[in-house]
Amino acid sequence: QVQLVESGGGVVQPGRSLRLSCAVSGFIFSSYDMHWVRQAPGRGLEWVAFISRDGGTKYYADSVKGRFTISRDSSTNNLYFQMNSLRPEDTALYYCARAHSTAFFDHWGQGTLVTVSS
Amino acid sequence: EIVLTQSPGTLSLSPGERVTLSCRASQSVGNYVAWYQQKPGQAPRLLIYDASYRAAGVPARFSGSGSGTDFTLTISSLEPEDFALYYCQQRTKWPPTFGPGTTLDV
Repeated sequence: QVQLVESGGGVVQPGRSLRLSCAVSGFIFSSYDMHWVRQAPGRGLEWVAFISRDGGTKYYADSVKGRFTISRDSSTNNLYFQMNSLRPEDTALYYCARAHSTAFFDHWGQGTLVTVSS
Repeated sequence: EIVLTQSPGTLSLSPGERVTLSCRASQSVGNYVAWYQQKPGQAPRLLIYDASYRAAGVPARFSGSGSGTDFTLTISSLEPEDFALYYCQQRTKWPPTFGPGTTLDV
């Protein structure tokens, strides 16, 4: 069955960095576009980043552009999210999600919590 | 970016009732709308895509309709497990955006 398992979250001070990982299984990773979507505590869903199946196309939300980088390694079936210059407003549960029709999300991980606080 | 609004914010209903949730887009999104269900402590679950197609494993009591700027999700007869938060989402233009959600309360 399709599984996505995020890791790498934690508590970090403003201005510091964090790298999230998403290990996938149960499907051919290299055949699917992937996304990161976040949800601040008690808030709604916010899309933050997209990477195409071949890794050649990436899109970012304006709120993270220039600070965060999405990448993937199909040899290890992992999706990554390098988060630099973190801000308190980046505090959220970060989900990796498999793309359906490019920009719908048909499978989600359970999320990894990132807390940015001094 | 395209803004989605959902109404109402919260609905109080009982099992067995029929419910229709609304989602309105700030500009036309064709039929590129999805609906998700989220329960407390869980990740969202895709219910409907392209406005009216049920995702794999979604019960037939869930149906979607609409095009352009107005969309609805209908649950024909509420089951106890359907009391949750529902989001609509568009993929017509980057960035993909979500509505603020509608909570179904028992």
